[in-house]
Amino acid sequence: QQKVQQSPESLIVPEGGMASLNCTFSDRNSQYFWWYRQHSGEGPKALMSIFSNGDKKEGRFTAHLNKASLHVSLHIKDSQPSDSALYFCAVSGGSNAKLTFGKGTKLSVKS
Amino acid sequence: GPKVLQIPSHQIIDMGQMVTLNCDPVSNHLYFYWYKQILGQQMEFLVNFYNGKVMEKSKLFKDQFSVERPDGSYFTLKIQPTALEDSAVYFCASSLWSQNTLYFGAGTRLSVL
Repeated sequence: QQKVQQSPESLIVPEGGMASLNCTFSDRNSQYFWWYRQHSGEGPKALMSIFSNGDKKEGRFTAHLNKASLHVSLHIKDSQPSDSALYFCAVSGGSNAKLTFGKGTKLSVKS
Repeated sequence: GPKVLQIPSHQIIDMGQMVTLNCDPVSNHLYFYWYKQILGQQMEFLVNFYNGKVMEKSKLFKDQFSVERPDGSYFTLKIQPTALEDSAVYFCASSLWSQNTLYFGAGTRLSVL
């Protein structure tokens, strides 16, 4: 059964700083990886997806995938207070088609 | 962006009663999902649904749970009877295809007393 683990559990960064979130997964056949962001009182919203090894940049957000090391990460440059939220790594493909979420990283950006 | 609507936003019921949670998915989406979240923590997969059938379900999807989407209307999650441990926020999601981005609703907070 797919296991998705995220670290750290919580993270505080200053406004304008860099936030780095990590995620490991257990199923080597996993194919599809997303980062979702959830603000308090709302449903999760997809931030970005990454399907190939390497980096993918969208604005201030960069995702990195290394399937061999079962690792995916998200880096947020120039963090803003509005980035404060719960960030989930989500993985699918391989033996399970369903999307499996990690427990989340709570990011707080302090101005 | 695409919107998934969930009704009601909050439901309070007594243990043992039946409850139906309603979801209006994105109009052209074909896959539908329910997830459960307790205390703002992990999103736990319950079930996915395609072409009128349950495709996959987790151990959390107990025998008391059922899903349906009659005639393209609301996608519903019914719990009968409810138990105290069913208290949680239930999120509905939809996607165009399997392995596509999921779009989530704002959730229904279910409180079982």
